[in-house]
Amino acid sequence: EAGVTQFPSHSVIEKGQTVTLRCDPISGHDNLYWYRRVMGKEIKFLLHFVKESKQDESGMPNNRFLAERTGGTYSTLKVQPAELEDSGVYFCASSLGGGKANIQYFGAGTRLSVL
Amino acid sequence: AQSVTQPDIHITVSEGASLELRCNYSYGATPYLFWYVQSPGQGLQLLLKYFSGDTLVQGIKGFEAEFKRSQSSFNLRKPSVHWSDAAEYFCAVIISSGSARQLTFGSGTQLTVLP
Repeated sequence: EAGVTQFPSHSVIEKGQTVTLRCDPISGHDNLYWYRRVMGKEIKFLLHFVKESKQDESGMPNNRFLAERTGGTYSTLKVQPAELEDSGVYFCASSLGGGKANIQYFGAGTRLSVL
Repeated sequence: AQSVTQPDIHITVSEGASLELRCNYSYGATPYLFWYVQSPGQGLQLLLKYFSGDTLVQGIKGFEAEFKRSQSSFNLRKPSVHWSDAAEYFCAVIISSGSARQLTFGSGTQLTVLP
């Protein structure tokens, strides 16, 4: 069974450009989460989808970030326009159920470098 | 403020030595507790979890963790470290009350294993 996959593994862009990150969850997992780790700090929650609906987007830093999950399968996270402080590693995770005891399985992350 | 603390940023041990990684949390109620590991180029992998019951939990790769309510701690241990254990380790919690489903992470502990 394929795990959570993220594309690209590394993206280097200039300040002001747009970048789109993609996450393919484990097949059948309705719950999808985005997290990011900036500058070696803690991994922090961005948002949570249940199928195609945003269940919780309390961690989204500002309106330059847009997450979508059309059709309830893969998800994209767009940063437009990118700023220097957006550099970091963006992780995606998925879980079968939405309960607190459901295990979240993580992808390898996308390393975003904004120059 | 509610938080997860991993006081050791970097730990170095010799192969075959024992290991203990510390984790403390500050929440009113006992949260759901997790340890994840990230090896270079890999996603975060769940080592073990604690929800309730026996306070000593066994995980994969020979790891175990002990929940101590009186100390608000969930320390990770391994009796004999292998070179392949070199990685970054993250303690994480999900708050047991409320509707939040996201993981809250500590800042991570980087483990170096000497031959």
